Amino acid sequence: DAGVTQSPTHLIKTRGQQVTLRCSPKSGHDTVSWYQQALGQGPQFIFQYYEEEERQRGNFPDRFSGHQFPNYSSELNVNALLLGDSALYLCASSSQGVLVKEQYFGPGTRLTVT
Amino acid sequence: AQSVAQPEDQVNVAEGNPLTVKCTYSVSGNPYLFWYVQYPNRGLQFLLKYITGDNLVKGSYGFEAEFNKSQTSFHLKKPSALVSDSALYFCAVRDIRGGNYGQNFVFGPGTRLSVLP
Repeated sequence: DAGVTQSPTHLIKTRGQQVTLRCSPKSGHDTVSWYQQALGQGPQFIFQYYEEEERQRGNFPDRFSGHQFPNYSSELNVNALLLGDSALYLCASSSQGVLVKEQYFGPGTRLTVT
Repeated sequence: AQSVAQPEDQVNVAEGNPLTVKCTYSVSGNPYLFWYVQYPNRGLQFLLKYITGDNLVKGSYGFEAEFNKSQTSFHLKKPSALVSDSALYFCAVRDIRGGNYGQNFVFGPGTRLSVLP
């Protein structure tokens, strides 16, 4: 049973460029969330996708956008990159339901903006 | 607003000794609390959660956590530490703002645990 996978592992971009990160959820999960983890900090919630729609959003600017595909995989897009966008980007998956459940995290994509 | 505090940036403990990693929380309504561990260059791994019921929750790798409502704490514990337990530990609370879709977390800043041989 494959867990959450993310690609690429590492990425180096220049200020002002655009980047796309990809995530495949754990088998059986239909909900994908994205987090940003800056160096030395805890993960910060960016947004969540369910049924191909953004359902909840954290305190991130519109430069951060996403998409969910019919197979539940997801993309995170960041436009007009800033130096401060350098971070580990984590994807987490879960399944909807009335029970409170843990999220399963991928290994992350390390983004460096120069 | 919901928040999580981890008052210690770093915890050092000798191998074989008991360990405690502290977490306090502030929430509206019922607290749904989680502990995750992060090894270098890895994502977060789930350890345990408190939803309701017994205040002592048992999780993976011999870890347990004690929920204390009066002190709004959810400390992570292990009776005998291993060198391989050295990692970054995060306490998290479920973010209720998402309503029915709210399976997202507010994380604490993390505590680095070093177990010395």
